[in-house]
Amino acid sequence: DTAVSQTPKYLVTQMGNDKSIKCEQNLGHDTMYWYKQDSKKFLKIMFSYNNKELIINETVPNRFSPKSPDKAHLNLHINSLELGDSAVYFCASSHPSLGRNSPLHFGNGTRLTVT
Amino acid sequence: AQTVTQSQPEMSVQEAETVTLSCTYDTSESDYYLFWYKQPPSRQMILVIRQEAYKQQNATENRFSVNFQKAAKSFSLKISDSQLGDAAMYFCAYRSGDNYGQNFVFGPGTRLSVLP
Repeated sequence: DTAVSQTPKYLVTQMGNDKSIKCEQNLGHDTMYWYKQDSKKFLKIMFSYNNKELIINETVPNRFSPKSPDKAHLNLHINSLELGDSAVYFCASSHPSLGRNSPLHFGNGTRLTVT
Repeated sequence: AQTVTQSQPEMSVQEAETVTLSCTYDTSESDYYLFWYKQPPSRQMILVIRQEAYKQQNATENRFSVNFQKAAKSFSLKISDSQLGDAAMYFCAYRSGDNYGQNFVFGPGTRLSVLP
């Protein structure tokens, strides 16, 4: 009965590879996000989708491509991985339609290590 | 763009004592929402408390309460009767009240240690 689930939990890969992180939420929320948490624990938004439509696209290398097949899923694909991509990536969802104080519900994060 | 500042990178508190974590933010908006999240070593992000800017009453959740000073743009978190399980990173977050302001902006975090 996990609310926001993302897989895998850990991802270790070599530079230059392509990898994907999957995210699913069963809360019925209409907005999903990807956040990156760097080694200093700073959280920064990467993308946000509302009902499968991209609404926030921060300055992120175009090697990162989000895909939302439906409003319950938001996957993150990363091409040509670089050392600097090593971080924890969080998927999250919220439902502003229910009230603009609707908080973010986070997945448990994916720790990506690029060697 | 909105910014959130947490001026205390690290704090410590004795078990059963009270500690206050600071948060200030910069915005020109009058309608917005504020949140505190806790991240224990498990790295899970847990909502602690939230506050609507239009409400003058400070939010309270059990041992957690906030001191919201809208004019000063300050949103501090008070933890009473601190427990060992409160040890974590604490993040303050801002969300615009705009319908399209769905971005949550986070502060850099405060690492709280609880001493037995």
